[in-house]
Amino acid sequence: DGGITQSPKYLFRKEGQNVTLSCEQNLNHDAMYWYRQDPGQGLRLIYYSQIVNDFQKGDIAEGYSVSREKKESFPLTVTSAQKNPTAFYLCASSTSGYSNQPQHFGDGTRLSIL
Amino acid sequence: AQSVTQLGSHVSVSEGALVLLRCNYSSSVPPYLFWYVQYPNQGLQLLLKYTSAATLVKGINGFEAEFKKSETSFHLTKPSAHMSDAAEYFCAVSVSQGGSEKLVFGKGTKLTVNP
Repeated sequence: DGGITQSPKYLFRKEGQNVTLSCEQNLNHDAMYWYRQDPGQGLRLIYYSQIVNDFQKGDIAEGYSVSREKKESFPLTVTSAQKNPTAFYLCASSTSGYSNQPQHFGDGTRLSIL
Repeated sequence: AQSVTQLGSHVSVSEGALVLLRCNYSSSVPPYLFWYVQYPNQGLQLLLKYTSAATLVKGINGFEAEFKKSETSFHLTKPSAHMSDAAEYFCAVSVSQGGSEKLVFGKGTKLTVNP
């Protein structure tokens, strides 16, 4: 079955450590997205990519970095500069970056601070 | 700026009762609108989308939503709630920004269904 796979499901970070969240899709979608979800805050866009080797900052990109070297993969690194990283992180993809295309979501990674 | 407001962070209904989840948007042009559902510790699943073809949109699991331009609303309804409908629901509007198009989500409404 086609879908989006996020790993790991749970992740713990020590102070000063960078961690990378994996997102892989086999839907042949061009566009991919990373969101952060906090209780009562909805989803906030971190980064998005509409094609390979290109990505743009979302609303809360500070303290995060991404790469898009392959169409199927869009990993997110939470750097030590992100002072409040505890959240639920969701990866999504869509056929294209056009606004009438729905986004398909993975099951998320929950990041906590040790 | 385009945005979406969900009225009521928590809604509680009895099993078999009408479900009404409210969503209002702000947009200078006719928007594309979406409703998603999220079950605990899972990602979001698309319930339905409005892309200007018809004002009444039917989705999965018996849900539907009506686009009302005059009220800038896109409320989600289901005639009879089921226990399995308990989840968090998000309304989203598409926006164009800096030559790119992306979704802006409301803060969500958590639906509780009482037996």
